[in-house]
Parts: sequence; C-alpha cells; structure tokens
Amino acid sequence: RKEVEQDPGPFNVPEGATVAFNCTYSNSASQSFFWYRQDCRKEPKLLMSVYSSGNEDGRFTAQLNRASQYISLLIRDSKLSDSATYLCVVNEGGGGNKLTFGTGTQLKVEL
Amino acid sequence: EPEVTQTPSHQVTQMGQEVILRCVPISNHLYFYWYRQILGQKVEFLVSFYNNEISEKSEIFDDQFSVERPDGSNFTLKIRSTKLEDSAMYFCASSSWTGHEKLFFGSGTQLSVL
Repeated sequence: RKEVEQDPGPFNVPEGATVAFNCTYSNSASQSFFWYRQDCRKEPKLLMSVYSSGNEDGRFTAQLNRASQYISLLIRDSKLSDSATYLCVVNEGGGGNKLTFGTGTQLKVEL
Repeated sequence: EPEVTQTPSHQVTQMGQEVILRCVPISNHLYFYWYRQILGQKVEFLVSFYNNEISEKSEIFDDQFSVERPDGSNFTLKIRSTKLEDSAMYFCASSSWTGHEKLFFGSGTQLSVL
C-alpha cells in the first residue's frame, strides 16, 4: 500500500489556468504536511506547509482534510515558471522527523 | 540566503568501492538528514541525525551505510561497498530547532556506480 499517493500527471495547462492537485496518505497518525516543488534533477524545495484551516500564499492555496486523509494544492493564474513536479510530503512524527514523499505530480504550463 | 551545500555534485565509482558524500548544513541547524532519489522514482528517507547520533533510519540504511559529523560543520554519508543499485541522487537536508519540521535540501550528489 502506497504511503503517500498522487496522480503522476502530467497536467498540461495553458498559462493563466487554475489547476488542482490532490494527494492521499495512509498513516492517520501523520503530524504535519507539506507541498514541495521539484524541478527536473534538482532538490525538493518547500512550497508551503498545509493546515486543516487551509492556508494561502499568493496564487497557491493548500488544504488538509484529516478525516479523509486528503491534501490538496490549488494554483491560480498559472505561470510558465510553475512548470515542475509537485511533491506531497507527510511527516509521520516520531523522533526522527522523517518525511515521506509522494511520487509527485508533474505540471506543464504552456503558452 | 543560507543554504545546504553538497560536494561533489557528481561521483562516479566502481562497484565495491567506498564513497563518502559530503554536506555542509545550514549553520544554526541542529537536525540533519540524508535522502535519496533513484532516477524516475520518489524521494526516499535514509537517515536522520541529531545530537551526534542517529535518530531514525530506514530499511535502506543497512550496515553498508554510515553517517558522521566529524566537526562542527560537515555531515557525511559513507557507503562502504557500493552496489549498482546505490546509483541515485543523494540529498542532504537540515532543519532548525524552532522549525525542525521544515527541511531545507542541498542540491544533491549524483552517484553513479559502474
């Protein structure tokens, strides 16, 4: 059973479009949640933390539903520079502060 | 902006050889990690390190792997006898005491085992 599951995509969208990514996680004891962005063959970079109350950072909105073990990311007014792989990441707690990554959803924003 | 630095960026080695991957975490960070990503696959946790000892390790991190913080700045990953399947991008990461859940990753070392 996959621990963190994402649709791999690719999502091909025109510039200016709104796109939504979803993610589910299997460990109900998971404590914190993140979206990371990864460009091709580069390191993951933290995009934003995800909270049950929902949080917004500019064009990006993230939401957590603990009951459904579901995480979402919404990107509004997408830019060419948003093209990347978006990684859903879960911290399962414990002393090691271990992050569990999804396989990522690839986004391609086109002219 | 402070960053995690990894060297070398690429490492090519023969199967059975030992390799040491080096990392300089962000200076005021106290938690250190190694992750790896095999080409086309997800990022996988290897080990976390705090207060000069391993906090947690994955099943991947077997007896062939070890970590060390030999001085106040470097954090190293050693693979004693490399296998073909160790070929991957290895990412070092660090996090602070106050924001320990937020990890900052280095740009990675691409290890190729021939």
